[in-house]
Order: sequence, then structure tokens, then C-alpha cells
Amino acid sequence: EAGVVQSPRYKIIEKKQPVAFWCNPISGHNTLYWYRQNLGQGPELLIRYENEEAVDDSQLPKDRFSAERLKGVDSTLKIQPAELGDSAVYLCASSLQYQETQYFGPGTRLLVL
Amino acid sequence: AQKVTQAQTEISVVEKEDVTLDCVYETRDTTYYLFWYKQPPSGELVFLIRRNSFDEQNEISGRYSWNFQKSTSSFNFTITASQVVDSAVYFCALSEKRRTYKYIFGTGTRLKVLA
Repeated sequence: EAGVVQSPRYKIIEKKQPVAFWCNPISGHNTLYWYRQNLGQGPELLIRYENEEAVDDSQLPKDRFSAERLKGVDSTLKIQPAELGDSAVYLCASSLQYQETQYFGPGTRLLVL
Repeated sequence: AQKVTQAQTEISVVEKEDVTLDCVYETRDTTYYLFWYKQPPSGELVFLIRRNSFDEQNEISGRYSWNFQKSTSSFNFTITASQVVDSAVYFCALSEKRRTYKYIFGTGTRLKVLA
């Protein structure tokens, strides 16, 4: 069974540029999560989707971050404009609905110059 | 308040040594879940184990074993006969029943296994 797929794996951009990350969850997983992981830290939740609905986006910096999950499968996380402090690894995870265990993708490592 | 503490920032061992990674948690809930994940250099968080708060039975899976003690709020992870492939960052995480999706991660322990 294929795991969570993310692309790109690495991205280098200059500050003020836009950037987008893509995630394809494990087949059949209704719940999708986006996390940000700063260097030397554990991941922190940005947003959670149940199917197409964003049910928890309280930690998403809405002035520059946006996310969508059209059709309840793939998801895109966007930053516009990027700032130096956005340099981090962005992880996508998925789980069966109402199940405790989350399965993570390989992440996108973002460097903002 | 929820909190997970992994006091060991980095551990180095020689191959075939046993190593224990510590995890201490704080929660007010009586029902909660504890997890261990492995993050190799490739970056993916690999699920290792989930333990429910009402199940204190220790678990062994091959060279891996976990010791859950509610009395000390600890959920420690032991690797027996470590191998170079075990080198990674290991994260302990907590979620509470009322918000099972919200993981609280520790800061991770970097394990280096030297040949």
C-alpha cells in the first residue's frame, strides 16, 4: 500500500515569493493534516481536514498561509508571500476518520533566502 | 496542560549496545494515547507504536520494547542490540481522547549508532 506522497521534496525560494506544497494521502484516509517542523523541534499542527472541510485551522497563520483539499483527497498548502522564518519542513499526514494513529509523508524542506 | 519531555537531546552508542530513550508526559485526561515515531535522515516520520492509557502492558517487537508506567508518567523505548540503521531522531507524542487528532510532540532524541 502506498504511503503519504508529498512534492516537492525540497524547495528554495527568495523571500516574498509564493510557494506551494502538494500532498496525496493514503487511499481511504478521510483525515488529512499539515504540520510544520522547525529545526530541532517536533512537528506542530497547522490544519486538519475531515474530507473537504477544514475542521481545525486555529494554528494556521492566515495572513500568508492558505490550504485547500478539493474533492477530499489531495491537498495543497500555500504560502504567499514567504518570509525567512517560514524555513522549515512541512509534513503532511493522514489517518482513518476518528482513528488515533497518523501516518506521515516524507515532508517538503523549504528554505527561504 | 499537555506536555511531552524528551530530556535526552542526543545519544551515541556503539553498534550492538542496548539503548533506552526516555519520554515523560503530562496530561490531566484519564484517557490518552502515547506514540513513538522514528524520523530517519530521509525526513519521513515512521510510526512505531501506539499505547492507550488504560493498557499498561509492556510491548516487545523484535529488537524494540516499550515500558509504559503511569505511576511515573513515562513511556520509555529500548532498542536492544542497536544497529547503524537505527540512527535517526525519535519522537514521543501524546494525544488526549477529547482531541485525539492533536498530537503533542516532544523535541526528539537523536540517536547515533556507530559501527
